[in-house]
Amino acid sequence: AQTVTQSQPEMSVQEAETVTLSCTYDTSESNYYLFWYKQPPSRQMILVIRQEAYKQQNATENRFSVNFQKAAKSFSLKISDSQLGDTAMYFCAFMKQKGAQKLVFGQGTRLTINP
Amino acid sequence: NAGVTQTPKFQVLKTGQSMTLQCAQDMNHNSMYWYRQDPGMGLRLIYYSASEGTTDKGEVPNGYNVSRLNKREFSLRLESAAPSQTSVYFCASSESRGLDTQYFGPGTRLTVL
Repeated sequence: AQTVTQSQPEMSVQEAETVTLSCTYDTSESNYYLFWYKQPPSRQMILVIRQEAYKQQNATENRFSVNFQKAAKSFSLKISDSQLGDTAMYFCAFMKQKGAQKLVFGQGTRLTINP
Repeated sequence: NAGVTQTPKFQVLKTGQSMTLQCAQDMNHNSMYWYRQDPGMGLRLIYYSASEGTTDKGEVPNGYNVSRLNKREFSLRLESAAPSQTSVYFCASSESRGLDTQYFGPGTRLTVL
């Protein structure tokens, strides 16, 4: 079975700073997908960024980028120029490439951006 | 285009009562999912439906049943609610083609007394 671990329960930074959220996972699969979801106080789950394991290039979406280290089974999220609207819970998630598309989530990191 | 909708948004039940959580999507997606989120934890999969007419158990199926009524709708039923089922429930859907984003509904907060 796959497991996803987020070792930082809470983080807090000042607006405009850069912050990195950590995620490690355990799997015996060679092909899979990784995701970061954001959950603001509204409770809505919003996809931030996703990565295919077979791609060596790290995914980027505007201010959000990942550092994907397949051998180390690490998938961290970097938020540049953080904004107040980035305040949310952030969840790392894993999905096998084959079979049913079931997401396995980490425990989450509560990120607070301070003015 | 409403995406994924869930009803109700909030519900309080007494132990032993039954209820059905409703989920609908208007994106013509093949797959639908039910997750629960407990405090301090990520979402855990309860049941999923890879396509219309099929359902399968996820990580935490005990105490729940599901029905994939048609391509749009996927309901979750609690036959005899227990306090351990107090949680926030999320429905999601996806097209199920390769790397595919799951789109989530707004969630239902359920309290079982």
